[in-house]
Amino acid sequence: GAVVSQHPSRVICKSGTSVKIECRSLDFQATTMFWYRQFPKQSLMLMATSNEGSKATYEQGVEKDKFLINHASLTLSTLTVTSAHPEDSSFYICSAKTSGGNTQETQYFGPGTRLLVL
Amino acid sequence: AQSVAQPEDQVNVAEGNPLTVKCTYSVSGNPYLFWYVQYPNRGLQFLLKYITGDNLVKGSYGFEAEFNKSQTSFHLKKPSALVSDSALYFCAVRDGSDSSYKLIFGSGTRLLVRP
Repeated sequence: GAVVSQHPSRVICKSGTSVKIECRSLDFQATTMFWYRQFPKQSLMLMATSNEGSKATYEQGVEKDKFLINHASLTLSTLTVTSAHPEDSSFYICSAKTSGGNTQETQYFGPGTRLLVL
Repeated sequence: AQSVAQPEDQVNVAEGNPLTVKCTYSVSGNPYLFWYVQYPNRGLQFLLKYITGDNLVKGSYGFEAEFNKSQTSFHLKKPSALVSDSALYFCAVRDGSDSSYKLIFGSGTRLLVRP
């Protein structure tokens, strides 16, 4: 149980285009999802917290107009990188938090999406 | 402010030997502690957590960790390492009184198990 998927796993795009990444909780409902960014050989940096049906909460320094987050249902959150530039190239990972039971408090992570902007 | 320290960038151990990956933390409230493992180009896999109860927590793949409040540590251990345990390990903490559920991650420790 507690499986999180991400799509696509890898994407290459041209500078100036927008890219959408989907994060789905496959076997549980996730009221809260998180979006992280990971640079090579570095730890995870939290970008934003996404709550179903409400606006995302962005961490300091993260541009909300550039990284659009939508959490329209209890099993799906999307991150759209708008007008992508080469410096946006990174590994993006989502996680989902379960809402109850003995797995409460645990964030389960997706497999990640590698974005390369040319 | 919350923080996590993983003092070792890399830990090398021979297969069959015990392994320890160190983690210390700082939180103002009750610490909720987690260990995750990451294989190349993959997301993080949950190994174990401490929320409350017994200080010794057992998790996936034979790993365990001991919560030590006085030393503010949560070291990851395994009695007998496998080559397949080679990966990047992250310790994470959250303040139990923080309703945002945000996790703070350590910098990661690369574990290399030699055959």
